[in-house]
Amino acid sequence: QVHLVQSGAEVKEPGTSVKVSCKASGYSFTGYYLHWVRQAPGQGLEWLGWINPNSGGTEYALKFRGRVTMTRDTSISTAYMELNRLRSDDTAIYFCARDMSPRVGTDAFDIWGQGTMVIVSS
Amino acid sequence: DIVMTQSPVSLAVSLGERATINCKSSQSVLHTSNNKNYLAWYQQKPGQPPTLLIYWASTRESGVPDRFSGSGSGTDFTLTISSLQAEDVAIYFCQQYYITPPTFGQGTKVEIK
Repeated sequence: QVHLVQSGAEVKEPGTSVKVSCKASGYSFTGYYLHWVRQAPGQGLEWLGWINPNSGGTEYALKFRGRVTMTRDTSISTAYMELNRLRSDDTAIYFCARDMSPRVGTDAFDIWGQGTMVIVSS
Repeated sequence: DIVMTQSPVSLAVSLGERATINCKSSQSVLHTSNNKNYLAWYQQKPGQPPTLLIYWASTRESGVPDRFSGSGSGTDFTLTISSLQAEDVAIYFCQQYYITPPTFGQGTKVEIK
């Protein structure tokens, strides 16, 4: 069965960084792009970017360029999203989600991680 | 960026009745080369991640009940729940994946009347 399992909740102070992991199982990790999406409390869904787990190539939303870094470790089928210079409005649930078609970065998201709550507060 | 606008923001429907959610994109998401609309619908229940219901505007994801259907083309789309069940209480989002960045509607909350 296909799963994406994310790391646990984090509480961070403003100005610091957070790194969230997303471990894939049940499919070929390098075969499908992974996206990161966040949802602020009671709000909608916002796309942060994607990573191609095969090449390590990335594309980030303009809003987050310079502040977000997406990486992967193919040996353990895990992707990471690091967000720097955290602000209070970065408080949100962060999801990883799989692109539904192999080797394509522009498709619907068919598998989602359970989400990681990140709270930014002093 | 393509702006996705959903209506209504919320709706209450009696069990067994039809629920209709609309989604409008600020520009067409129809790819003329393959005649596909790059539009998906997701369901999100409280405390859970979204789950994919519909892609290519009208293709049901595997395992999704056939009371869920998607229609529309170009800029105007509809998600219909033909006979609302108690387990359908959720927030529904549309998403375009035609142009990066992929963008989502603000969501429609469906409740039981």
